[in-house]
Amino acid sequence: QKEVEQDPGPLSVPEGAIVSLNCTYSNSAFQYFMWYRQYSRKGPELLMYTYSSGNKEDGRFTAQVDKSSKYISLFIRDSQPSDSATYLCAMSAKNYGQNFVFGPGTRLSVLP
Amino acid sequence: GAVVSQHPSWVICKSGTSVKIECRSLDFQATTMFWYRQFPKQSLMLMATSNEGSKATYEQGVEKDKFLINHASLTLSTLTVTSAHPEDSSFYICSARGSFLGLAGEGGELFFGEGSRLTVL
Repeated sequence: QKEVEQDPGPLSVPEGAIVSLNCTYSNSAFQYFMWYRQYSRKGPELLMYTYSSGNKEDGRFTAQVDKSSKYISLFIRDSQPSDSATYLCAMSAKNYGQNFVFGPGTRLSVLP
Repeated sequence: GAVVSQHPSWVICKSGTSVKIECRSLDFQATTMFWYRQFPKQSLMLMATSNEGSKATYEQGVEKDKFLINHASLTLSTLTVTSAHPEDSSFYICSARGSFLGLAGEGGELFFGEGSRLTVL
């Protein structure tokens, strides 16, 4: 079993739809969770960062963490064509110098 | 938010030459930086962890003599691809972990550079 699993996609939705992106993990030591958006041929861009269970909202984006079930989700409301990208979840144990473990990414296409 | 700058963003070189890629944290100090490689439509593959003032830690299967990493200061890490060959053509990305929490031992966000696309002819 991989440490972090993510729905591979690709996922296509119409403009305005609500998108749900999900990751599950097996390491209960993970304490920090992030979502990144990566456009083609660009470095990943940090969207959301959280270190507690529950929901965190930022504009059209909501990150949800359930540590008891070991899954995290990213919801995108009112999706736009500009949201078309690959979304990566990442997580880390409580250790400042450690790298994050990444999911394989979900490719999202929002169709106008 | 924190910014990580990577340079060059795009480089073409001849087979057998060496290429240096720089990664700078612009508004925070990063004792640790990470170097990744990414092939088209694939996720990030960690190559090595760059530690300021000490040797880099390489992932299994990554040749340390081919991919030289130097972390000379708290804001700069460099990756040198030595004697590059066409199979080294890829997208190389660096990241740095910064914290604005001001608490020792707490985790911080991971910020990425824009990536460097290397094409070896």
